[in-house]
Amino acid sequence: GQNIDQPTEMTATEGAIVQINCTYQTSGFNGLFWYQQHAGEAPTFLSYNVLDGLEEKGRFSSFLSRSKGYSYLLLKELQMKDSASYLCAVRDGDYKLSFGAGTTVTVRA
Amino acid sequence: IAGITQAPTSQILAAGRRMTLRCTQDMRHNAMYWYRQDLGLGLRLIHYSNTAGTTGKGEVPDGYSVSRANTDDFPLTLASAVPSQTSVYFCASSERALGGQFFGPGTRLTVL
Repeated sequence: GQNIDQPTEMTATEGAIVQINCTYQTSGFNGLFWYQQHAGEAPTFLSYNVLDGLEEKGRFSSFLSRSKGYSYLLLKELQMKDSASYLCAVRDGDYKLSFGAGTTVTVRA
Repeated sequence: IAGITQAPTSQILAAGRRMTLRCTQDMRHNAMYWYRQDLGLGLRLIHYSNTAGTTGKGEVPDGYSVSRANTDDFPLTLASAVPSQTSVYFCASSERALGGQFFGPGTRLTVL
């Protein structure tokens, strides 16, 4: 199977920046996704990287290094509504998504 | 209907019973997926379908079956439920196998 690792929990203060790291080992690679999931809700798509480098989308940015099997999601200007679980997912050589266990981010006032 | 719907929202089921979880999308997406989500394990793929008439096995297919008779519907059946199938089940779809996936609201299933 696939191996995708991300920290279990992170805590940050409103207005701050948090970086969620994800490392992966998969059989083949066809892109990396980040999803946000609020408690009791469905995951929602945040970002997609298939080439190395940084993708910026408003307060959220995602970085990929394929040679290192590494990605991070950067959340800037944290707001209380950003408290959620963030899921790293890798699409393998068979075009199926494998998910990490998720990182729970708690934003404190 | 807008997006993906799942039914029921939640269900308590006796072990050994048969259960079908329903999933319908109105986005005309070709690919559909079933995942289960368990605490500490994340989302795990059960079955998938890249197009109507075809299905494939994911990471944890045992005890589950699917069918894809048309583009819109992708039901998941538990032939004889067991307590280890207690989980939250999410259906997802994407325009094609390469596309980003959109998730339904989920079904919380408890097998006693």
